[in-house]
Amino acid sequence: GAVVSQHPSRVICKSGTSVKIECRSLDFQATTMFWYRQFPKQSLMLMATSNEGSKATYEQGVEKDKFLINHASLTLSTLTVTSAHPEDSSFYICSARAPGKRANQPQHFGDGTRLSIL
Amino acid sequence: DQQVKQNSPSLSVQEGRISILNCDYTNSMFDYFLWYKKYPAEGPTFLISISSIKDKNEDGRFTVFLNKSAKHLSLHIVPSQPGDSAVYFCAALVTGGGNKLTFGTGTQLKVEL
Repeated sequence: GAVVSQHPSRVICKSGTSVKIECRSLDFQATTMFWYRQFPKQSLMLMATSNEGSKATYEQGVEKDKFLINHASLTLSTLTVTSAHPEDSSFYICSARAPGKRANQPQHFGDGTRLSIL
Repeated sequence: DQQVKQNSPSLSVQEGRISILNCDYTNSMFDYFLWYKKYPAEGPTFLISISSIKDKNEDGRFTVFLNKSAKHLSLHIVPSQPGDSAVYFCAALVTGGGNKLTFGTGTQLKVEL
């Protein structure tokens, strides 16, 4: 089946560092990928929709200058957390819409990135 | 504003018995619902879905029921197996809304021997 790979799985870094997270669709082309964030004991919250070859669409309250998204190819989207601070510490997870003609194709998720900012 | 709610953070069931996981939603625009299963250190995997034009969808041991008037859905697993122990997320979307999923907070299911 369709597989989404996310890297790295864990990052620990100092405050002020920028961190890049990669999301790859391994055996299918994904024109649309999604980035979520999950705080402890809360649900996955959609941050932005990443569209291949165009600008990402951000959800309300998500700073686009803070969370830079690039979707340069049909198999790769990257999320860069710029000048990360402790409050950015969270679990970040990406997904890609599975190929198919159905309007509501399920999304396939990566394994997530645990980001810890000291 | 939590539009999709899973009010039980955890559920414990004996092997072989039925597991019933519940989910409520508030947004009447949602017309497609999905259940995802998540093991530790892995991403959620799709389990089963249901369109609002149906009230039941079955796939092997998994059945999802939808009560639109009550804005409630449930996932039934029968018989439950130890390998079913995981966190189960309910998610909802509006068809034509860009495939954006709204998730519940999850229910940790533990199937005991």
